[in-house]
Order: sequence, then C-alpha cells, then structure tokens
Amino acid sequence: QKEVEQDPGPLSVPEGAIVSLNCTYSNSAFQYFMWYRQYSRKGPELLMYTYSSGNKEDGRFTAQVDKSSKYISLFIRDSQPSDSATYLCAMSSILTGGGNKLTFGTGTQLKVEL
Amino acid sequence: NAGVTQTPKFRILKIGQSMTLQCAQDMNHNYMYWYRQDPGMGLKLIYYSVGAGITDKGEVPNGYNVSRSTTEDFPLRLELAAPSQTSVYFCASSLTVMNTEAFFGQGTRLTVV
Repeated sequence: QKEVEQDPGPLSVPEGAIVSLNCTYSNSAFQYFMWYRQYSRKGPELLMYTYSSGNKEDGRFTAQVDKSSKYISLFIRDSQPSDSATYLCAMSSILTGGGNKLTFGTGTQLKVEL
Repeated sequence: NAGVTQTPKFRILKIGQSMTLQCAQDMNHNYMYWYRQDPGMGLKLIYYSVGAGITDKGEVPNGYNVSRSTTEDFPLRLELAAPSQTSVYFCASSLTVMNTEAFFGQGTRLTVV
C-alpha cells in the first residue's frame, strides 16, 4: 500500500466549475499537508500548506484536512483554463538526518475547458 | 532573484557514462533536496542536505552521489548510468526544517540509452 494515494485522473471540467481534488494517506506521522501545481514540463510550485485539521482558504483555493480520516482535499472555485495542470498532494515527515521529507501523491491531471 | 536553477535541462546518456546534474539556489536556504519523478510514481527523494557539508540518503539513493560544499550548490552525480535512471530530476530548497515552502527547479530530463 502506498503511503499517499491520489486519483491520477484525468479530470475534465467546464470553465467556472468547482473542482475537488483528493488524497488519502496512511502514515500518522505526517505533519504538514501541501498542494503543488505542476504545469507540463515545469517544476512543482506550492499552492498552499496546512497543518491542522480544518479548512484554509486562499483566493479561489481551499485546502481541507481531516486527520481522523487521513484525507485531504483541494477545492478550486470558478475554475479557469489557466488552472489546467497536474495537482500534487504532498505530506511532510521528519527525516533522521534533520530535514523534512515530502511524500508526494502521483498527481491528478486537470483540464478546464472553455 | 533566480530561485532554484538546474542545469542542464535535457541530457541523453549512454549506459555506463557518468554525469553531474547541477543545482544552485540564491535564497540562502539551508535545506536542499533531490527528487526524481517517474510517470505514475510521484516524486521520490534521492538525497538531501541540511546545510553545507551535511548530506544524507533519501528513499532511492542507489546509483547517485551528492556533495554540498557551499550553501548555494547541491550537485547530483550519476555514476555508471543505467536505463532505470531515465527520469526527470528536480532539485528543491527550503528555508525551514518543516519544508512547508519548498521551491523547485525546472527539472532535468535525463534519458539513458
């Protein structure tokens, strides 16, 4: 079983739709929960991170964490064609050498159509 | 402010050849990481560094080596390239130990034939 599970999609929605992206995880040691956006042939860029259970909002994006269910979500309101990308969830845990490791989901490919 | 810069962007290697992937950051971050991204597999941690002179293995270190002589640079060395090392390699850096705001480079796309 993978530590982080994410539906790879692809997910296709019309412009203006609300998008829901989800990940489940099995490792209770994960401390922080992030969402990255990755455009084709580019590096991941951070959208949001959260620490505790609950919601965090940033513009059209809302990140939700439910630690009891080991489930995180990213909601995108009023989706735009420019949101078309692969969305990666990531979770951090402590490394023995002193850093913090990010464990990534496989990514969900999103296409927002005009 | 360039962020994280990786070179080269693309490279084709023959089996058994060696090369160094370069990574430099100008944000004075102590924490630096190398990941590889394979289709359907997510990003996997190869090596990481918590500061100049300090490196440690990640999940998939076999076939790779790193060094960190300065805060800015974190090169990844591939010795005796194998087809299994065909992948996209990303370097990342972060200011904090929690790694909540990691900045990624644009990636190096490597093919071993």
